[in-house]
Amino acid sequence: DVKVTQSSRYLVKRTGEKVFLECVQDMDHENMFWYRQDPGLGLRLIYFSYDVKMKEKGDIPEGYSVSREKKERFSLILESASTNQTSMYLCASRARTGLTEYFGPGTRLTVT
Amino acid sequence: GNSVTQMEGPVTLSEEAFLTINCTYTATGYPSLFWYVQYPGEGLQLLLKATKADDKGSNKGFEATYRKETTSFHLEKGSVQVSDSAVYFCALLRMDTGRRALTFGSGTRLQVQP
Repeated sequence: DVKVTQSSRYLVKRTGEKVFLECVQDMDHENMFWYRQDPGLGLRLIYFSYDVKMKEKGDIPEGYSVSREKKERFSLILESASTNQTSMYLCASRARTGLTEYFGPGTRLTVT
Repeated sequence: GNSVTQMEGPVTLSEEAFLTINCTYTATGYPSLFWYVQYPGEGLQLLLKATKADDKGSNKGFEATYRKETTSFHLEKGSVQVSDSAVYFCALLRMDTGRRALTFGSGTRLQVQP
């Protein structure tokens, strides 16, 4: 069974902290994605990656960075967390020529 | 740019009622269209998809038809169950551009009462 896992289901951080969210997929997918989900706004794309060490900005990259050193792992980094980054963060992966995205369970991040 | 518009929720129905959730899109070219579902406490999972005009996607009793003339992909189910209570997202994907990532609508929460 396909699997996308995220390092934490719930996370509480303080303003100004550096935050790492980790995502691992076991399907050998080339494409990986980070979204944030907010009520009434749906899912908005933060960053995506087509391959190892490749990254592309999505719609709302400000305040975030990413790292993809291995094919199976895609990390989202909040350089200096702020309260407006309190949200649900969802990771997904997709095969290079596939159409279906597979999602992790999400990390609910609260920044106080 | 690409965009997806869904009807706002929540949609509250009684068990066995007919469901329609409207979805319209704006995109150039020929996008693929999707419905994803998010059950409480879980990530999203693909419900159904259609890749070209007049295609009908179907799964678990849900259906949606790709209507290019009306730029729509409405989700329907003839008889909903309590277990269908979830948030439903309409999305599009264009594989012929540099941005090969999904564009989502805002989601519609469905609540089915026994």
